[in-house]
Amino acid sequence: GDSVTQMEGPVTLSEEAFLTINCTYTATGYPSLFWYVQYPGEGLQLLLKATKADDKGSNKGFEATYRKETTSFHLEKGSVQVSDSAVYFCALSDLRAGTALIFGKGTTLSVSS
Amino acid sequence: EPEVTQTPSHQVTQMGQEVILRCVPISNHLYFYWYRQILGQKVEFLVSFYNNEISEKSEIFDDQFSVERPDGSNFTLKIRSTKLEDSAMYFCASKPTGGNYGYTFGSGTRLTVV
Repeated sequence: GDSVTQMEGPVTLSEEAFLTINCTYTATGYPSLFWYVQYPGEGLQLLLKATKADDKGSNKGFEATYRKETTSFHLEKGSVQVSDSAVYFCALSDLRAGTALIFGKGTTLSVSS
Repeated sequence: EPEVTQTPSHQVTQMGQEVILRCVPISNHLYFYWYRQILGQKVEFLVSFYNNEISEKSEIFDDQFSVERPDGSNFTLKIRSTKLEDSAMYFCASKPTGGNYGYTFGSGTRLTVV
């Protein structure tokens, strides 16, 4: 079945450092790919998405590019802030069919000043 | 911006009791989902609901679980006889029609079974 694999955390960075969180997927068909963020004590918020190969999703300085050839959707940010500390989940689904999201295990990011 | 609303935010129940978790999806959305997240672990899919019936369910969604859309606005998850391992955060989500429209999640119900 379809699955998502994320790099293990926690990831600990200093403010203004460069962030990469790796995500690879296995899927039949052509899924849409997502990054969700969960701040401490809160629910899941969509950070960005891409619906087809070579699309780049971006939001709040975060970016991820849908790479079909490497089945990857790595999350990057050029300069992290303390307020970016959260758990980040990579996910996939077939949006057009309305199928459920399949999540990776999540990566905890901790940014210190 | 429209929201998915979940109530209660936190529920404590005794083992063996029935619980009903409530969700009000966004009004023009047609697909509804329940997920759970055991503390510190991944978000797991439970069930999806479309056109007044279950469209997909995971292995977790056994006979102890049921879902309903009783009145055209609420979407409920019932756990018939709770177990300690049902303690988790339960998230409801909804989505408009098919097409490249995303999912909107509620802020979750934390269920604690004691």
